[in-house]
Amino acid sequence: DADVTQTPRNRITKTGKRIMLECSQTKGHDRMYWYRQDPGLGLRLIYYSFDVKDINKGEISDGYSVSRQAQAKFSLSLESAIPNQTALYFCAISSAGGPDYEQYFGPGTRLTVT
Amino acid sequence: GESVGLHLPTLSVQEGDNSIINCAYSNSASDYFIWYKQESGKGPQFIIDIRSNMDKRQGQRVTVLLNKTVKHLSLQIAATQPGDSAVYFCAEIVGGSYIPTFGRGTSLIVHP
Repeated sequence: DADVTQTPRNRITKTGKRIMLECSQTKGHDRMYWYRQDPGLGLRLIYYSFDVKDINKGEISDGYSVSRQAQAKFSLSLESAIPNQTALYFCAISSAGGPDYEQYFGPGTRLTVT
Repeated sequence: GESVGLHLPTLSVQEGDNSIINCAYSNSASDYFIWYKQESGKGPQFIIDIRSNMDKRQGQRVTVLLNKTVKHLSLQIAATQPGDSAVYFCAEIVGGSYIPTFGRGTSLIVHP
């Protein structure tokens, strides 16, 4: 987990507030991802970025936006948080090219929207 | 046994038993598969992977079996230990996409 860090680890916010979750990595991998995890539903992809100038929507991007500030940093924003965005959020990274599809995950951010 | 609804399927075993966790994948074009382990309060961690040109791969105490005919993947854990208690996810990837699709996960509970 030390290769991928997420801040904050826990956050409680109110409906309508803007919130940013940050992810940084030290492995030098080009590909970064944001996932959401809800109980019993596994991991669902929100956004992903294959390099600094590349941003792509995932399965559930509505209500979210991202910014790839540098190769090592990928932020997820909720412009106006709503209660059904309460979930566990994970950042992940993977290397570009080659046969390695393995993703390395951060420790997660637990977000509660009241 | 399995539970339904929003609860994860759960497998309960005794320490020392062998565990088998199953996964049905959805895309016949998927050609790479990964098993992840997620311990409480942590992010998922890679356990083992397998490519579609293989039907079995072994690691340390773990074996993954792939049956492409019925689109089924299994993870076998030998001599299960309490530290193996976690949620296990399978992920399928269509080659070149680098975008995995994750299964719901199975909760493994190991009783001492």
